[in-house]
Amino acid sequence: TQLLEQSPQFLSIQEGENLTVYCNSSSVFSSLQWYRQEPGEGPVLLVTVVTGGEVKKLKRLTFQFGDARKDSSLHITAAQPGDTGLYLCAGPSGTYKYIFGTGTRLKVLA
Amino acid sequence: DTAVSQTPKYLVTQMGNDKSIKCEQNLGHDTMYWYKQDSKKFLKIMFSYNNKELIINETVPNRFSPKSPDKAHLNLHINSLELGDSAVYFCASSQRPALGANVLTFGAGSRLTVL
Repeated sequence: TQLLEQSPQFLSIQEGENLTVYCNSSSVFSSLQWYRQEPGEGPVLLVTVVTGGEVKKLKRLTFQFGDARKDSSLHITAAQPGDTGLYLCAGPSGTYKYIFGTGTRLKVLA
Repeated sequence: DTAVSQTPKYLVTQMGNDKSIKCEQNLGHDTMYWYKQDSKKFLKIMFSYNNKELIINETVPNRFSPKSPDKAHLNLHINSLELGDSAVYFCASSQRPALGANVLTFGAGSRLTVL
């Protein structure tokens, strides 16, 4: 069974700090995605990484896919209160199924 | 226009009752899903449909019966509700099966509380 473990589970930081969230698996994934979920809403896709070693940037967010395609990280520079939310990694598990990571709840204090 | 819409947003009901959640997507996607998010925010797949056909049933109890009248709709009916069914249920759709660059578009969720 494929599993995606995220760390940390919870993160509370001050505005302006940097942080990194990790998504790890013992299985190889053809791609990994990162979603952000805000209270009362469904997850929204931030990025998809498909090539081992790939780095993608989305403004202050930097995403990396591990060389072996078993892990990914999300780094936020100079976090802002608007970054607060639940961050989820996800990957395909077979043709018609996405599995999600255990989630990281981020709170950025002003 | 909401891409994936679910109704109702909230359901509060007694144990043993039956309830339904409806989902519609206007994205023209072929694949639709139901996910359950528990109190720890873990998102677990329940069902996956492709062009109205059930593809994945992730060992969900028989009390849960999805129905897809057409590829734009995927409803979820739950019989004999139990306390453990309390969760947020999310409908999602994707343009094609879970391939590399595919995107899941989620509804806003339906929070079910069983008393």
